[in-house]
Amino acid sequence: DVVMTQSPLSLPVTLGQPASISCRSSQSLVYLNWFQQRPGQSPRRLIYEVSNRDSGVPDRFSGSGSGTEFTLKISRVEAEDVGVYYCMQVTHWPPITFGQGTRLEIK
Amino acid sequence: EVQLLESGGDLVQPGGSLRLSCAASGFNFNAYDMTWVRQAPGKGLEWVSTINTSGGGTYYADSVKGRFTISRDNSKNTFFLHINSLRAEDTAIYYCAKGGWADSWGQGTLVTVSS
Repeated sequence: DVVMTQSPLSLPVTLGQPASISCRSSQSLVYLNWFQQRPGQSPRRLIYEVSNRDSGVPDRFSGSGSGTEFTLKISRVEAEDVGVYYCMQVTHWPPITFGQGTRLEIK
Repeated sequence: EVQLLESGGDLVQPGGSLRLSCAASGFNFNAYDMTWVRQAPGKGLEWVSTINTSGGGTYYADSVKGRFTISRDNSKNTFFLHINSLRAEDTAIYYCAKGGWADSWGQGTLVTVSS
């Protein structure tokens, strides 16, 4: 199974400042998605195939990477970005695997 | 607009059974694989199962293989998760999602396994 490792697991950020979340996989990937889960809500996909933003996702979110190292960046954090972010691989499945999640909070 | 509506969650005793349903609308249901993902209280996301468009291909996490069965009814734009031999560790919110890439999610249905 592909193991997905996110870092950091907790990310305090000042409003208006950038944020970056890393996701490393145990095998090389082509299909890597990012999800946001706001408090009390269902997950929402932000990014698919490493770098493609879903419809309605603000352009301050961007995804990059290749092989086994991937990054989700938020150019300027807003209050509505608070929540947990997950990476998910759908290259080598089953099983589909998620990272542990990164909790973003406002300092 | 894509809508996914789960139902069927309940409080069940260990060893019990449930059938979860996900009613889909707003897209061509027949053209998409469909997926179940669960989230235990305070924990992360765990993929449970995916079914292909025809229902002839089904895939399961090792943790549920042999106990859970995914199925779909394309005539009713609905798919299901039949859960048997429930264990305490199956307690979670169960989300249905569109596609194998989970591009849209339902609001979830809570399954609690407790005596």
